[in-house]
Amino acid sequence: EADIYQTPRYLVIGTGKKITLECSQTMGHDKMYWYQQDPGMELHLIHYSYGVNSTEKGDLSSESTVSRIRTEHFPLTLESARPSHTSQYLCASSESGDRGFEFGSGTRLTVV
Amino acid sequence: QKEVEQNSGPLSVPEGAIASLNCTYSDRVSQSFFWYRQYSGKSPELIMSIYSNGDKEDGRFTAQLNKASQYVSLLIRDSQPSDSATYLCAVSGSARQLTFGSGTQLTVLP
Repeated sequence: EADIYQTPRYLVIGTGKKITLECSQTMGHDKMYWYQQDPGMELHLIHYSYGVNSTEKGDLSSESTVSRIRTEHFPLTLESARPSHTSQYLCASSESGDRGFEFGSGTRLTVV
Repeated sequence: QKEVEQNSGPLSVPEGAIASLNCTYSDRVSQSFFWYRQYSGKSPELIMSIYSNGDKEDGRFTAQLNKASQYVSLLIRDSQPSDSATYLCAVSGSARQLTFGSGTQLTVLP
């Protein structure tokens, strides 16, 4: 059973709308990550956090923002969605960088 | 040069055969190595981790690591159609970040 949860699973939204993708984990992991992945393409790290009030941008430039107010919660926000934001967004967490990540089930976002 | 390189495939093997997936990495101080399986439309699932040179076996899966050659591989014995997926190699390097390869698409033919 998954210990990392993402909602919604699917989202279709109009251009210009503000959206927040939720990610929560119950394992007490300090490290959490957001990846973006287009179908059949590789994973791109867009944000990560090593603990409460700590967030960093990843390798791929993204117009999204994140926050980490609680250990278990790492939401991602798009202030104004555009069709170019259409993708799958995957949240992950880990106990330390030397242990594998556990991924959530992902949010498939479509901006029309 | 990419930090983690994999043959993109597709790799096709007949049912019952051994599938061999390869990965090379550039960061010599990398300490931890992982294989993920990703079915189409799903999120990656951790299937193997390896931290020291040699072989590590788990059921039908064997991970092999050679740090001198900066090479890690995954062998799948008695391949089944349900093994058809994209396999991602991931490496934890000096920055303590996981870097993923682009994945190898495996198809097991019945």
